[in-house]
Amino acid sequence: DQQVKQNSPSLSVQEGRISILNCDYTNSMFDYFLWYKKYPAEGPTFLISISSIKDKNEDGRFTVFLNKSAKHLSLHIVPSQPGDSAVYFCAASASSGNEKLTFGTGTRLTIIP
Amino acid sequence: GAVVSQHPSWVICKSGTSVKIECRSLDFQATTMFWYRQFPKQSLMLMATSNEGSKATYEQGVEKDKFLINHASLTLSTLTVTSAHPEDSSFYICSARLGEQFFGPGTRLTVL
Repeated sequence: DQQVKQNSPSLSVQEGRISILNCDYTNSMFDYFLWYKKYPAEGPTFLISISSIKDKNEDGRFTVFLNKSAKHLSLHIVPSQPGDSAVYFCAASASSGNEKLTFGTGTRLTIIP
Repeated sequence: GAVVSQHPSWVICKSGTSVKIECRSLDFQATTMFWYRQFPKQSLMLMATSNEGSKATYEQGVEKDKFLINHASLTLSTLTVTSAHPEDSSFYICSARLGEQFFGPGTRLTVL
């Protein structure tokens, strides 16, 4: 039972354009959401998070949007840079992040120079 | 800050042997650490939650007698894969919680 889903296994975006990565979840108990970036053979690196009391959180080039009614979140990266090429995982947690993380299946983002 | 290390970074072992993987929080203390496993082209799957000074909490389907977890100090948790089999070959990643979870670089285990 995949409670967190990333339906796009891969995405290619031109350098300088906006990258939009999507994530859907099914468990209504999730109230804290995170995005991680991962390179091969490395551990995930935390990017940005959002609590369910918000619908948007911004940090530099990264913005996460949360639509609770649709159980959907997205990560926007603008402008996209070659160094952004990696696998991006969304993750969800209950109890404001104090519970375990459930990860999505990941989206491989490739930025085309 | 918030650096997590793992040792070894990769290990190859024979079927039937045991392998120990260490996870250390280098610049902070973590009462809670997590162990994940990632098979190729799949997501990170939580195996167990390691709590300092108490027994680990295992996720459904993870054999606690096969994957032994010890969290003896606030900066060290160990995962021992006992009687390893080729199907245990995977990428094992730990994390330590300091607000957010900070992840180690992972350990690639190959069982021949």
